Amino acid sequence: QVQLKESGPGLVKPSETLSLTCTVTGGSIDTYYWSWIRHSPGKGLEWVGCIYYGERTNYNPSLKTRVTMSLDTSNNQVSLRLSSVTTADTAIYYCARSSGSYYPGVYWGPGVSVSVSS
Amino acid sequence: QSVLTQPPSASATPGQRVTISCSGSSSNIGPNFVYWYQHLPGRAPKLLIQRDSQRPSGVPDRFSGSKSGSSASLTITGLRSEDEADYYCAAWDASLGGSVVFGGGTKLTVL
Repeated sequence: QVQLKESGPGLVKPSETLSLTCTVTGGSIDTYYWSWIRHSPGKGLEWVGCIYYGERTNYNPSLKTRVTMSLDTSNNQVSLRLSSVTTADTAIYYCARSSGSYYPGVYWGPGVSVSVSS
Repeated sequence: QSVLTQPPSASATPGQRVTISCSGSSSNIGPNFVYWYQHLPGRAPKLLIQRDSQRPSGVPDRFSGSKSGSSASLTITGLRSEDEADYYCAAWDASLGGSVVFGGGTKLTVL
């Protein structure tokens, strides 16, 4: 049974870097696509980006200059870093797995809430 | 404003059929697959429809998807109270370097 679990600080100060980790159990991370999606208060879902085998990435153009994703195959974790955060980055962040496409698939983590505030 | 356009709300009574539309363009829905997600408050989104009309294992056949040109729709038949949720369409958009784009979401109320 594949399970995903996001973790990271619940509070980040403006201008700092947000770092989140998605720990995957029940399957290896190195043969799938892994997406990050966020849901801001009062807004809809937003695709942050995707990383897949060989550490190839594709980021949302609106976030591209601030986003970095990486894979840690030894710990079976997927990481997200978002730099220079503002209050607009306050959201619930989800990681999700898909098979061979950028679209988030069947497996999602429960999400982690991140608030950007001084 | 979202790249994909959905009605902000929809409603129907239990047992009825409801259709949620998703309008896009030749850079997203036209040439690419549409996916649909159900999002309940406090829960992770759930994939309902992939590749325009395919249901993942475990998704009831009350949910169906279709696409025509640059528009897509999600239809729910035999509506149940537990279907009350937000529904999002998504598609790959080739403009600006490429990205998955979501619709603004449709809040479905079961009356």
